[in-house]
Amino acid sequence: NAGVMQNPRHLVRRRGQEARLRCSPVKGHSHVYWYRQLPEEGLKFMVYLQKENIIDESGMPKERFSAEFPKEGPSILRIQQVVRGDSAAYFCASSQGPGNTIYFGEGSWLTVV
Amino acid sequence: AQKITQTQPGMFVQEKEAVTLDCTYDTSDPSYGLFWYKQPSSGEMIFLIYQGSYDQQNATEGRYSLNFQKARKSANLVISASQLGDSAMYFCAMREDVNTGRRALTFGSGTRLQVQP
Repeated sequence: NAGVMQNPRHLVRRRGQEARLRCSPVKGHSHVYWYRQLPEEGLKFMVYLQKENIIDESGMPKERFSAEFPKEGPSILRIQQVVRGDSAAYFCASSQGPGNTIYFGEGSWLTVV
Repeated sequence: AQKITQTQPGMFVQEKEAVTLDCTYDTSDPSYGLFWYKQPSSGEMIFLIYQGSYDQQNATEGRYSLNFQKARKSANLVISASQLGDSAMYFCAMREDVNTGRRALTFGSGTRLQVQP
């Protein structure tokens, strides 16, 4: 763990509720990535952000999912009206620049009941 | 077509022996980077090693080395002197630097390594 902080580590939500996952990148890193990992699978890219900008959201579901990385504060991945299929581990990663090594946080495990 | 292929869902190795985890990739991008990450049962993703497509020498980091064969598009991870703590999932990943422009990583499906005493 190179300093990417994610919270909460574990989150339980009922179907229809909202889930908010937070990510503070390594100090000095301005590039943030969100990935989703289903059980026994590799990580799937969701969205790539820089401060106040979404650079690439090609991996984000078209509905219910949104992400932001404000000028101040952590990056937020927001899932509205959660469904059972949203249950997964959500990893945040950061890098100093687009060509630098990407470091991951410890993940946030979302369980939808 | 799969961008990153890890053909070994599971591997066993005896403690203190070396093990090679396979990874092949597919890209038309002239500039790319290859990464290996370790995911222990606790779930975090731990960066292990990086190889750039223009690097002349194979990357090494302690007991980890990357056997980079560019013509064959393979980037196998070699772990020497395996330890019980090496038991984990291992993911190979690629970042395509030019054509995609997005700089994000594409991951393989992973290999579960179990080190036996």
